[in-house]
Amino acid sequence: QQQVKQSPQSLIVQKGGISIINCAYENTAFDYFPWYQQFPGKGPALLIAIRPDVSEKKEGRFTISFNKSAKQFSLHIMDSQPGDSATYFCAARGSTLGRLYFGRGTQLTVWP
Amino acid sequence: DVKVTQSSRYLVKRTGEKVFLECVQDMDHENMFWYRQDPGLGLRLIYFSYDVKMKEKGDIPEGYSVSREKKERFSLILESASTNQTSMYLCASSLLQGFGYTFGSGTRLTVV
Repeated sequence: QQQVKQSPQSLIVQKGGISIINCAYENTAFDYFPWYQQFPGKGPALLIAIRPDVSEKKEGRFTISFNKSAKQFSLHIMDSQPGDSATYFCAARGSTLGRLYFGRGTQLTVWP
Repeated sequence: DVKVTQSSRYLVKRTGEKVFLECVQDMDHENMFWYRQDPGLGLRLIYFSYDVKMKEKGDIPEGYSVSREKKERFSLILESASTNQTSMYLCASSLLQGFGYTFGSGTRLTVV
């Protein structure tokens, strides 16, 4: 059973547009929600993260929106750039030994 | 710069061979993880370890084993490699509560 569901699987956005990736979870014990960015040939790297007591976190062009009651969170990339083309993973931290549960990933392509 | 280093970027092995994938971290992290990454399936946890000589099964442990004799080193062992184990393997480490999750660059294993 997949603990974190991520959509869409792939996303194509024009340069300057807004990219939106959505995730949903069921386990209310999850207490930390990071997003990872992976470029081809590299391992995933932490992009931005949020705790459930905050509804929004912004770092530059990247924003996480968090809806605790709906058990959903999303990544918004404003003014998307070709350099943002990568695979994005959402994740949630379980209470057992700090393990992260990952979504299946979204492959983002930003056209120039 | 903190690092998780995987010993090989590319590996080609024959069916039935015993395969060792090595991972070393220099961050004094308690947790270490092995994932495999396949298109459309995201990051699937094989095994993790929260202390020396301790291990926990992840979601897909069948056909794999692990070894952690020193805090900084975590090995993934394919006892008898099969073609369905052809994949990208990613090692990660983190603090005990799951913060600071850092991935290596991955080992692309091909079993022929």
